[in-house]
Amino acid sequence: GENVEQHPSTLSVQEGDSAVIKCTYSDSASNYFPWYKQELGKRPQLIIDIRSNVGEKKDQRIAVTLNKTAKHFSLHITETQPEDSAVYFCAAGGYNFNKFYFGSGTKLNVKP
Amino acid sequence: EPEVTQTPSHQVTQMGQEVILRCVPISNHLYFYWYRQILGQKVEFLVSFYNNEISEKSEIFDDQFSVERPDGSNFTLKIRSTKLEDSAMYFCASSVGTWDLDEKLFFGSGTQLSVL
Repeated sequence: GENVEQHPSTLSVQEGDSAVIKCTYSDSASNYFPWYKQELGKRPQLIIDIRSNVGEKKDQRIAVTLNKTAKHFSLHITETQPEDSAVYFCAAGGYNFNKFYFGSGTKLNVKP
Repeated sequence: EPEVTQTPSHQVTQMGQEVILRCVPISNHLYFYWYRQILGQKVEFLVSFYNNEISEKSEIFDDQFSVERPDGSNFTLKIRSTKLEDSAMYFCASSVGTWDLDEKLFFGSGTQLSVL
């Protein structure tokens, strides 16, 4: 089955700096890679996703890159703000979300 | 914006008791899922459900677990005889099922299950 590894487990940055979180996956059949932001005690919220037919996607301060050959994808947050502080999860799955696998999460702390 | 809703938000039960967690997926969605998240750990897939039957299930989803769509709106997860290690946040999710480029997975707000 799929195995998703996520690094780092914690990340502390100064407000205004950039943050990068990286994930690797094992199953070459995976073709959908979302990123979720989870605040304490709340549901995972989709913030950006990418499919295997593209290499990069951007939405304002958030971008995701995908390297299918190396089987890794990354989340980039620029101009970080304190409200970006949360746990971020990557995930990988097939076209129908069956057996959707999550990374272990990165706790991002943005210091004012 | 439509949401996946879950009830109850918190459930406390004694070990060995049966619990039923309830979910109302988004109305036009055809695929339903249960995930769980033990405190401080990653979200884990349990089961997916389509056309009134299980589509996929993980190793976690053993004989103690079952799912059901008892009517046109509810989707339930039953744990027959709860164990301490079943304590977790359980998330329901749903997706449309068209599998086009806009397909997304929507999560409910979760049920925190505490087994004592």
